[in-house]
Amino acid sequence: TQLLEQSPQFLSIQEGENLTVYCNSSSVFSSLQWYRQEPGEGPVLLVTVVTGGEVKKLKRLTFQFGDARKDSSLHITAAQTGDTGLYLCAGITTGTASKLTFGTGTRLQVTL
Amino acid sequence: NAGVMQNPRHLVRRRGQEARLRCSPMKGHSHVYWYRQLPEEGLKFMVYLQKENIIDESGMPKERFSAEFPKEGPSILRIQQVVRGDSAAYFCASSPRLATFKETQYFGPGTRLLVL
Repeated sequence: TQLLEQSPQFLSIQEGENLTVYCNSSSVFSSLQWYRQEPGEGPVLLVTVVTGGEVKKLKRLTFQFGDARKDSSLHITAAQTGDTGLYLCAGITTGTASKLTFGTGTRLQVTL
Repeated sequence: NAGVMQNPRHLVRRRGQEARLRCSPMKGHSHVYWYRQLPEEGLKFMVYLQKENIIDESGMPKERFSAEFPKEGPSILRIQQVVRGDSAAYFCASSPRLATFKETQYFGPGTRLLVL
């Protein structure tokens, strides 16, 4: 069974701080996706990283895929209250493209 | 341009009753995926369907759970004789074709099932 462990599980910070969320596995993935889920809603895709070592930036969010395609990180610069939510990584492996393997999730709270 | 629609958004059932969850994929999407999210956990894959076919049900519990995606109408996830452990959020996602490693699955808002 493939597992994606996210750390930290919970994170409470003040607006303006920086943070990094990690997503780790012992398995290799064809690609890895990051989602944000707000209370009462479904996950919304933020980014897909495909190539080992790839770095993608989305405004204040920076996503990195590990060289070995087993891990990923999400870095948020100058967090805002609107960044509050549950962040989920999800891995896709060749041959099982129909099912995403989701991480355990990181719940982020950003306060004023 | 409606996204993935799920209904009901909230469903309360007593132990032993049946729960029927509906999912209407995005327009033009013929592939549907169901996931379950237990409290304070990530999403777990349950089943992948195309129109009139179950392609992968490796994540579905062997008993009491079934899914269909008929030629016409929404996809249905049915849970018979519900138990308290079935209480969870059930999410449906859709894609226009088989979701490859570059293809996106679009998620609905979920159905929150509470079993009393």
